[in-house]
Amino acid sequence: QQQVKQSPQSLIVQKGGISIINCAYENTAFDYFPWYQQFPGKGPALLIAIRPDVSEKKEGRFTISFNKSAKQFSLHIMDSQPGDSATYFCAASIEAAGNKLTFGGGTRVLVKP
Amino acid sequence: DAGITQSPRHKVTETGTPVTLRCHQTENHRYMYWYRQDPGHGLRLIHYSYGVKDTDKGEVSDGYSVSRSKTEDFLLTLESATSSQTSVYFCAISEPGQGANTGELFFGEGSRLTVL
Repeated sequence: QQQVKQSPQSLIVQKGGISIINCAYENTAFDYFPWYQQFPGKGPALLIAIRPDVSEKKEGRFTISFNKSAKQFSLHIMDSQPGDSATYFCAASIEAAGNKLTFGGGTRVLVKP
Repeated sequence: DAGITQSPRHKVTETGTPVTLRCHQTENHRYMYWYRQDPGHGLRLIHYSYGVKDTDKGEVSDGYSVSRSKTEDFLLTLESATSSQTSVYFCAISEPGQGANTGELFFGEGSRLTVL
């Protein structure tokens, strides 16, 4: 049973457009929700993260929206650039349980120039 | 970049042979993890370690064992490789503590294993 479900699996967006990736989780004990970015041939790297005490977090062109009651969170990439073309993973963990991340299935984003 | 080295980076082996993947870190982080990455499944936790000789199973541990005899090294062993273990394996490290991103994991560049 997948505890973190991510959609869509792939996404094509024009340069300057908005990319939106959604995730839903089941375990209400999760208290840390990061997004990781992965380029081909590389390991994932932390992009942005949020905790459930806030509903939104913005870092540059990247924003996480968090809805605790719906058990959903999403990543918005504003003004998408070709360099944003990558695979994005949402994840969740219980921080007191040793930083063990449970990942979504991933979304491959292609930004067309 | 976090000092994480995985070896080998690529390996092709035959069904039934043993395989050991090595993760070496220079960051002195206490926590280490092995994940496998497969299309549509994201990354799934195989085993993790909270310190020397302190390891535990993740969600997909069947067919895998680990050892951690030194802080800097975490070994993943497939005792008898099967085709279903064809995957990309990632090592990750983290250090619990204060700060905004206390849950951050740092990943290595992966080891691609093909079992024929």
